[in-house]
Amino acid sequence: EAGVTQFPSHSVIEKGQTVTLRCDPISGHDNLYWYRRVMGKEIKFLLHFVKESKQDESGMPNNRFLAERTGGTYSTLKVQPAELEDSGVYFCASSQGVGRGLISGANVLTFGAGSRLTVL
Amino acid sequence: KQEVTQIPAALSVPEGENLVLNCSFTDSAIYNLQWFRQDPGKGLTSLLLIQSSQREQTSGRLNASLDKSSGRSTLYIAASQPGDSATYLCAVGYNQGGKLIFGQGTELSVKP
Repeated sequence: EAGVTQFPSHSVIEKGQTVTLRCDPISGHDNLYWYRRVMGKEIKFLLHFVKESKQDESGMPNNRFLAERTGGTYSTLKVQPAELEDSGVYFCASSQGVGRGLISGANVLTFGAGSRLTVL
Repeated sequence: KQEVTQIPAALSVPEGENLVLNCSFTDSAIYNLQWFRQDPGKGLTSLLLIQSSQREQTSGRLNASLDKSSGRSTLYIAASQPGDSATYLCAVGYNQGGKLIFGQGTELSVKP
C-alpha cells in the first residue's frame, strides 16, 4: 500500500509569493489532516477534511491559507501571499475513519514525509 | 489551554542502556495518547497508541504507560540501539476526530 505522499518536498519562495502544497492520502482514507511545524515549535494541527468537507479548520492561522480537497481525494494547501513566519514543515496525514482504523474507534493517522517551506 | 510537554528535549545514551522519555499534558480528559518516531527528512511513524481506558501498551522493546490522573505518559525503551536514534513525539487526542496536540519532542541519540 502506498503511503501518504506530499509534494514538493521543499519549496523556497520570496515573501509575497504564492505556494501550493499537495497531499495524496492513502487510497480509501476518508480523513485527511494538515499539520505544520514552524521553527522551534511543536507540530500544530491546521485542519481536518472528511472526504471533501472541512470538519475542523480551527487551526488555520489566517485567511492567507486556503485548503481544498476536491472530490475527496488529494488535497492542496495554498499560502497566498506567503510571509516569513509561514516557514516550516507542513505535514499531511490520513486515516480510514472512526471505527474503521486498525484500532476500532482510534482513528490511527498515517503521516507523510512533509513539505518544507522556506520563505525568504 | 491544552498543552503537551516533553522532557528532556534531547538525550544521548550509550548503546544498551534502558531509557525513559517523559510526556505530560495539562488537560487529563484525553481520548488517547500516541507516541511517534520521526527520522530526519521522514514522516512520523506511530509507535504506540494508548486509549484513555488503558494503562500501558507494549511493542517489542517499547513500553508506553499512561497515568491520566497525574497527566503523564512515559515511553520506556529497553536495550537501546543506534537505530533507535530519532526524535520521539508524544501527541494527545481529545476526541475521535484525529486532531492531536503534540509535544516538542525528545531528540534521542544512541551511541555505539
